[in-house]
Amino acid sequence: EADIYQTPRYLVIGTGKKITLECSQTMGHDKMYWYQQDPGMELHLIHYSYGVNSTEKGDLSSESTVSRIRTEHFPLTLESARPSHTSQYLCASSAGYGYTFGSGTRLTVV
Amino acid sequence: GEDVEQSLFLSVREGDSSVINCTYTDSSSTYLYWYKQEPGAGLQLLTYIFSNMDMKQDQRLTVLLNKKDKHLSLRIADTQTGDSAIYFCAVLYNNNDMRFGAGTRLTVKP
Repeated sequence: EADIYQTPRYLVIGTGKKITLECSQTMGHDKMYWYQQDPGMELHLIHYSYGVNSTEKGDLSSESTVSRIRTEHFPLTLESARPSHTSQYLCASSAGYGYTFGSGTRLTVV
Repeated sequence: GEDVEQSLFLSVREGDSSVINCTYTDSSSTYLYWYKQEPGAGLQLLTYIFSNMDMKQDQRLTVLLNKKDKHLSLRIADTQTGDSAIYFCAVLYNNNDMRFGAGTRLTVKP
């Protein structure tokens, strides 16, 4: 039973489009994270939040932006998608001990 | 730095034991985790060990921690084809920073 939800699971869009990847969790976790995962498997932290109105950039520079207006919701937005944004995006949340991951959004920009 | 390293590939025969190894550099770890990722899915928490423990066993899974050598391993007994996946080692540090390894792709051959 998933307590953290990502939508859509798959998305194919054209270059230049604006997109928002949704992530919601029902566990009341303060900490939330976005990872980008390339086909080579490694996870790269691109954004994180430790609570409402708190967002930080991660280790990997990303052209995406995030917001945290509600505890349960941590959407990621790309203002103008490019083929280089093609990747899998994983959302996670934590209460401090271990992360719970969503199923991911596989994004393809054509 | 807080690096976590794993070998990228492991291939075993069905019924054999699999051992996936992980090393980390920073000794201020609190919890250490093993996650499993199946194709097209997010990361699923398999097991974890607290940093003051040496070993933890959970059915077919055995986690060994050598804190002196900063070495963590995951042993899967009687490996099955359904165990084929990518396995991520992760280390949670005192500052609540979680670091992931690059993942080990386990292939189980019939």
